[in-house]
Amino acid sequence: GAGVSQSPSNKVTEKGKDVELRCDPISGHTALYWYRQSLGQGLEFLIYFQGNSAPDKSGLPSDRFSAERTGGSVSTLTIQRTQQEDSAVYLCASSAQAYIDTQYFGPGTRLTVL
Amino acid sequence: DQQVKQNSPSLSVQEGRISILNCDYTNSMFDYFLWYKKYPAEGPTFLISISSIKDKNEDGRFTVFLNKSAKHLSLHIVPSQPGDSAVYFCAARVPSSNTGKLIFGQGTTLQVKP
Repeated sequence: GAGVSQSPSNKVTEKGKDVELRCDPISGHTALYWYRQSLGQGLEFLIYFQGNSAPDKSGLPSDRFSAERTGGSVSTLTIQRTQQEDSAVYLCASSAQAYIDTQYFGPGTRLTVL
Repeated sequence: DQQVKQNSPSLSVQEGRISILNCDYTNSMFDYFLWYKKYPAEGPTFLISISSIKDKNEDGRFTVFLNKSAKHLSLHIVPSQPGDSAVYFCAARVPSSNTGKLIFGQGTTLQVKP
C-alpha cells in the first residue's frame, strides 16, 4: 500500500514569504505528527493530530507556524513570514493509533529560506 | 536540554564486523525506545524497539540493549553489511503526553566498508 507522501519535496523561498507544506498520511491512520530536522540536529517534534484536532502543539516554535488537518487525512503545515532559521527538512509521520503504534515517516520537504 | 543524545556523529566498520551505535538519555520516565534508520532523501524507517521493562530485544541481525541504571541503550548490527550504511536515530517515547510523540537523538552516520 501507499506510504506517507509529502509535497513539495523541495521548496526554496525568500525571507518573509509564506509557505505551505502538505502531508498525505497512510490511509486509515488516525494519528499524524510533524517533525523537523535542522542541519546537524535530530528530529524535533512540532505538532500532533488525532483525527482533525491537535491536542499537542507544544513543539511549534512560534506563532508564525500553524497546521491543520481535514477529513482526518491530509495535513498542511503553514509557515508565515519565513525566516532563515526556518530552513530545515520538515517530516510528517502517521500511525494507526497514537502512542502504541509505529510511526511511519514520509520523505520530507526540504525548505530553504534565502 | 537534549534529553536523548547520540555522542558519536559517525562510525565506520568493515563489512562482516559488528557495528555498535550508542545512545544516552536523561529522562527516567521514558517507557519505550526505538531506533530508526534513514537513507539520504528518504524519511526515517523504523528498525527495532524496546520497552523499558526489558533489557534486550533481538530481530535478525539487529539487537537493542537497554541499561536503565546507566540510562543507556545500544544497537548492535551483526554482521554489518554495506547496505546498512545510513544515519541511525535513537528515539524515546514520552509517556506523560499520551500522544506518542518521540524525542530523537542527533543521529549517527554509519559507514560499512566492503
